[in-house]
Amino acid sequence: AQSVTQPDIHITVSEGASLELRCNYSYGATPYLFWYVQSPGQGLQLLLKYFSGDTLVQGIKGFEAEFKRSQSSFNLRKPSVHWSDAAEYFCAVGLFSGGYNKLIFGAGTRLAVHP
Amino acid sequence: GAGVSQSPRYKVAKRGQDVALRCDPISGHVSLFWYQQALGQGPEFLTYFQNEAQLDKSGLPSDRFFAERPEGSVSTLKIQRTQQEDSAVYLCASSPVTASNEKLFFGSGTQLSVL
Repeated sequence: AQSVTQPDIHITVSEGASLELRCNYSYGATPYLFWYVQSPGQGLQLLLKYFSGDTLVQGIKGFEAEFKRSQSSFNLRKPSVHWSDAAEYFCAVGLFSGGYNKLIFGAGTRLAVHP
Repeated sequence: GAGVSQSPRYKVAKRGQDVALRCDPISGHVSLFWYQQALGQGPEFLTYFQNEAQLDKSGLPSDRFFAERPEGSVSTLKIQRTQQEDSAVYLCASSPVTASNEKLFFGSGTQLSVL
């Protein structure tokens, strides 16, 4: 069965430090992969996506992610974190079936940023 | 407004009550999804509409859950005889297309608490 694992429930980093959020997936075919961010009381916002091609994808707000098929991973990175990046981050795999694409989410990683 | 609107923002129900949660998608959006997000978890797929047709209801946890979108715009998620385990945030998302999540917009959700 398809699944997404985010091993880190909480991560705390200092402002200006680099960030890597881990994501592992289980999927039989080439996956559609996504990272979403959720701020308190807000809806989910798409940060970036991977469908095919270049395995290093760039997203909004300075985020990037790298698809590694051999490791079944799609880790999210940012070279320098800003206080406004504090939020919850969800990795997801898109299950395409019947002409539409439904998302299977990981449990999320909550990011705290120290000044 | 320009986004996906959900109402009410918060709902408190006594166990056994029926509740109705409303989603106003972005005008003209073909696809509409409902997700359930329990505390500390990622969103889980409940159901999918393409216009007024409910193409997938495989995620609805029991026959107490019912969703409709009679005119292909506004959708209502109804939960009958609510139970404590129904407490969660219910997210609605809409998209102008069917086969891609690139243009999927999420609402802020309805937080349901069943006492």
